[in-house]
Amino acid sequence: NAGVTQTPKFRILKIGQSMTLQCTQDMNHNYMYWYRQDPGMGLKLIYYSVGAGITDKGEVPNGYNVSRSTTEDFPLRLELAAPSQTSVYFCASSDLWQTEGTQYFGPGTRLLVL
Amino acid sequence: QQQVKQSPQSLIVQKGGISIINCAYENTAFDYFPWYQQFPGKGPALLIAIRPDVSEKKEGRFTISFNKSAKQFSLHIMDSQPGDSATYFCAASQETGANNLFFGTGTRLTVIP
Repeated sequence: NAGVTQTPKFRILKIGQSMTLQCTQDMNHNYMYWYRQDPGMGLKLIYYSVGAGITDKGEVPNGYNVSRSTTEDFPLRLELAAPSQTSVYFCASSDLWQTEGTQYFGPGTRLLVL
Repeated sequence: QQQVKQSPQSLIVQKGGISIINCAYENTAFDYFPWYQQFPGKGPALLIAIRPDVSEKKEGRFTISFNKSAKQFSLHIMDSQPGDSATYFCAASQETGANNLFFGTGTRLTVIP
């Protein structure tokens, strides 16, 4: 198992550009999550999904969109990049029955918006 | 508003010493309290977790102490090693629904030889 994979590892965007952060898990987990991590702020939940076709907002959803067409993939879309979106983004997955609530995190995508 | 408050922000401990990190929460509906460990350039990974039906859980050198009435929980790392140097995050969630985690702000632990 590769676990949770994220691409790209690092990206520089100009203000106003768009991009999609990719996330794939091969553990057949139902739940998937997107977090952002800022220095001294911990991790904040952006969006989450409890299964294919079902998504919902987390604490900090503004400026982002998600979709979940398959169990494996949960891409995060930034439509109009802003400097405030400079952060490290982590995708995670879990399954209450398989993992008893443990969330497994990907290696992260570092995004710089200039 | 920070749902889980964590302290200290940074901690320096001598090798062999005890590292203690504290967290507090307000939402009494939380019923799952994990600690995650993160090394530089990596994603967080579960270290140990506790549910409120017990006051303490120990796994090797790592112990969670849980005080339900005070709404506080802490991580103790016994015999701290340089390899324990990492950032530690406490978190809390309700296990019903999507089990969304609310994280503390993190503690950067440095264990000096």
